[in-house]
Amino acid sequence: DAGVTQSPTHLIKTRGQQVTLRCSPISGHKSVSWYQQVLGQGPQFIFQYYEKEERGRGNFPDRFSARQFPNYSSELNVNALLLGDSALYLCASSFTGGYEKLFFGSGTQLSVL
Amino acid sequence: AQTVTQSQPEMSVQEAETVTLSCTYDTSESDYYLFWYKQPPSRQMILVIRQEAYKQQNATENRFSVNFQKAAKSFSLKISDSQLGDAAMYFCAYRSSGGSQGNLIFGKGTKLSVKP
Repeated sequence: DAGVTQSPTHLIKTRGQQVTLRCSPISGHKSVSWYQQVLGQGPQFIFQYYEKEERGRGNFPDRFSARQFPNYSSELNVNALLLGDSALYLCASSFTGGYEKLFFGSGTQLSVL
Repeated sequence: AQTVTQSQPEMSVQEAETVTLSCTYDTSESDYYLFWYKQPPSRQMILVIRQEAYKQQNATENRFSVNFQKAAKSFSLKISDSQLGDAAMYFCAYRSSGGSQGNLIFGKGTKLSVKP
């Protein structure tokens, strides 16, 4: 079975633009979480979705939004990009969003110029 | 708010030797989970080991084991018989038992190098 897949793998944008990142969870997984990893730091929680509903939100501005589709895939949107949004964005999936193991994708590297 | 601190930005170990990575955390909660994740150059975060705070017994997974000191809020990772493939960034992470599963709090990481 395929693991968590994220697209694109790399992305370059300019300040003020908008970006959409995509994540496909492992087959059968209904929960998706998003993390931002700035260079030299550990990942920071952005959102969690389960069964298309937001279950948790980290301390990020409203420029960040996400959604989950009926097939459990997810999109992370960032509007009005800032230089500080440059980071690796990681997606993780699990069966129920409970206490079982999280499976991470390899991330999308976003560079904002 | 909970915090996780990894005080060793970089560590080095000789192949086949043992290395210990340190992690401390701060919380007022009594029930929580602690994790060690490995992030190789492929960037994918891989779960190494997990510890439930209510369990006194230290978790082990093959060559990986932890020293969990709840009173001291310390959670170190010991890697025995180090292999070249162990070279990676290692992150300590905390999650409240009552919070969203997605809400992992990570430390800044320790870069582990393995010398042949």
